[in-house]
Amino acid sequence: GAVVSQHPSRVICKSGTSVKIECRSLDFQATTMFWYRQFPKQSLMLMATSNEGSKATYEQGVEKDKFLINHASLTLSTLTVTSAHPEDSSFYICSAKSGTGKSYEQYFGPGTRLTVT
Amino acid sequence: GQQLNQSPQSMFIQEGEDVSMNCTSSSIFNTWLWYKQDPGEGPVLLIALYKAGELTSNGRLTAQFGITRKDSFLNISASIPSDVGIYFCAGRETSGSRLTFGEGTQLTVNP
Repeated sequence: GAVVSQHPSRVICKSGTSVKIECRSLDFQATTMFWYRQFPKQSLMLMATSNEGSKATYEQGVEKDKFLINHASLTLSTLTVTSAHPEDSSFYICSAKSGTGKSYEQYFGPGTRLTVT
Repeated sequence: GQQLNQSPQSMFIQEGEDVSMNCTSSSIFNTWLWYKQDPGEGPVLLIALYKAGELTSNGRLTAQFGITRKDSFLNISASIPSDVGIYFCAGRETSGSRLTFGEGTQLTVNP
């Protein structure tokens, strides 16, 4: 149980275009999903927290108009990187927290490698 | 955001040896979690700790929630090559579900 998927696993896009990354909880309902960014050999940096049906809460320094997050259902959250630039190239990982059971266990997706050329 | 102090940053050990890593924080945490991340993959939850003093095992892995609630350690016994990866601690403060991550311990196991 507690499987989280991400799509796509890798994406290459041109500078100025937008990219959408999907995060799905496959076998549980995720009341809260989180989006992280990870640079090579570094830890995970929380970008935003999204609760189903409400606006995402962004961490300080994360542009909400650039990183659009939608959590329209209990099993799906999307992150859209708008007008991507090379500095947005990174490993983006989502996690999901179930509303039941052990409330504070976050289960991570496999990540999406974004390369902006 | 706030970072946990995780040590060591890296370890190079021989297969069969035991490994210990730890995390400390200036803040009190209500939850400690330990994750392992393989290259190009998302972190996988290894052990979750919810009470001060709690000692929990998962196979060859053992983790403890420090009495002061400001630290936690992870031990791996009889290491094997597939233990290679980056291990992250993560803590949750008193309110909300936001996790703070340590900087990771890169483990290399030589066969």
